[in-house]
Amino acid sequence: IAGITQAPTSQILAAGRRMTLRCTQDMRHNAMYWYRQDLGLGLRLIHYSNTAGTTGKGEVPDGYSVSRANTDDFPLTLASAVPSQTSVYFCASSPQPGQGMEQFFGPGTRLTVL
Amino acid sequence: SQQGEEDPQALSIQEGENATMNCSYKTSINNLQWYRQNSGRGLVHLILIRSNEREKHSGRLRVTLDTSKKSSSLLITASRAADTASYFCATVPVERPRNSGYALNFGKGTSLLVTP
Repeated sequence: IAGITQAPTSQILAAGRRMTLRCTQDMRHNAMYWYRQDLGLGLRLIHYSNTAGTTGKGEVPDGYSVSRANTDDFPLTLASAVPSQTSVYFCASSPQPGQGMEQFFGPGTRLTVL
Repeated sequence: SQQGEEDPQALSIQEGENATMNCSYKTSINNLQWYRQNSGRGLVHLILIRSNEREKHSGRLRVTLDTSKKSSSLLITASRAADTASYFCATVPVERPRNSGYALNFGKGTSLLVTP
């Protein structure tokens, strides 16, 4: 079934640990995004990629890094997790970067940093 | 930064009633999208309305856009229990922040509860 998958579904992590959230899409979409969703704050953009090989910082990039080695995968890494990174993380993609593009969302990863 | 702001924050209605949610935004846009999020799930695209459109329909959904007031509304007619979810409006400003690509700016959402 075409779509976006994220792994893990949920994770409890000790502060200071390194963690990579995985995101894979099989729709051959060029643009991909990472958002975090926090109660009362809505969704905020962490990083984005307009095409394989390029990435950009979003609204809240500090403490996170991404890579886009190929079209399908867009992993998000927390180098040294902190409790403020407790959130639900959503990966999304769209066929192209641009105005008017519907975004397709993965099921999310619920991360708790203790 | 939030571009859209939904109103009300929460809405509770009975099955069969209509549900209306509103969205206000701050800067000029090319289009506005509405998404639904069921509890514990990802967001699902519902409908997109372009800045030169005033109204758009999709099944039981009706979206209006008033660019002079920078506002949009989502109407769900004859609501069902399965419509229980959070609803978000999302925009890509014409003048985008340098560090945003074409990412969507989401509001905080309206939580809709439809009771049988």
